[in-house]
Amino acid sequence: EDQVTQSPEALRLQEGESSSLNCSYTVSGLRGLFWYRQDPGKGPEFLFTLYSAGEEKEKERLKATLTKKESFLHITAPKPEDSATYLCAVRGQGGKLIFGQGTELSVKP
Amino acid sequence: DAGVIQSPRHEVTEMGQEVTLRCKPISGHNSLFWYRQTMMRGLELLIYFNNNVPIDDSGMPEDRFSAKMPNASFSTLKIQPSEPRDSAVYFCASSLGGLLNEKLFFGSGTQLSVL
Repeated sequence: EDQVTQSPEALRLQEGESSSLNCSYTVSGLRGLFWYRQDPGKGPEFLFTLYSAGEEKEKERLKATLTKKESFLHITAPKPEDSATYLCAVRGQGGKLIFGQGTELSVKP
Repeated sequence: DAGVIQSPRHEVTEMGQEVTLRCKPISGHNSLFWYRQTMMRGLELLIYFNNNVPIDDSGMPEDRFSAKMPNASFSTLKIQPSEPRDSAVYFCASSLGGLLNEKLFFGSGTQLSVL
């Protein structure tokens, strides 16, 4: 069964304190790993897609990386506006997106 | 573009009542998804439409749930009768290109509370 586990559940950082979020997955035939950002009271917003081990993508202070077992979302010098819940999802051979529970990130000034 | 529009934003109802959630996808998108989000189970796909046709409804929890897409610009998710365990945030999302499209555009959701 396809499964996604994110850690930690919650992360508190000071502004400028870099860190990483983890997404571990088991899937038959990975057809993409996705990162979404979700703000309170809103729907998830697409950030990245990664397709193969070794692939990296960047957007502003965020960088996503992928191995055969997990993905990391690195946040460099975060700002308060980066506070949100970050969701990881995988797509297996069945085609559906399977989401993790998310990591709630709080960045204090 | 207005994005995916859902209504109502909040719905409070009593157990046994019928609930109808509405969604207007982004114009030109040909795929529509209904998701449910809870603390316990996270985001779960309920049903997926492509070109107004239901393709996969295996995530619909029970016969009490039904979804329709009468045209390319409107979809409904109905729960009849509603139960307290149906309380959740229900999201509609749309995309161009079907199930394998990487980018889903989500609405702001409907917060459903069944008392």
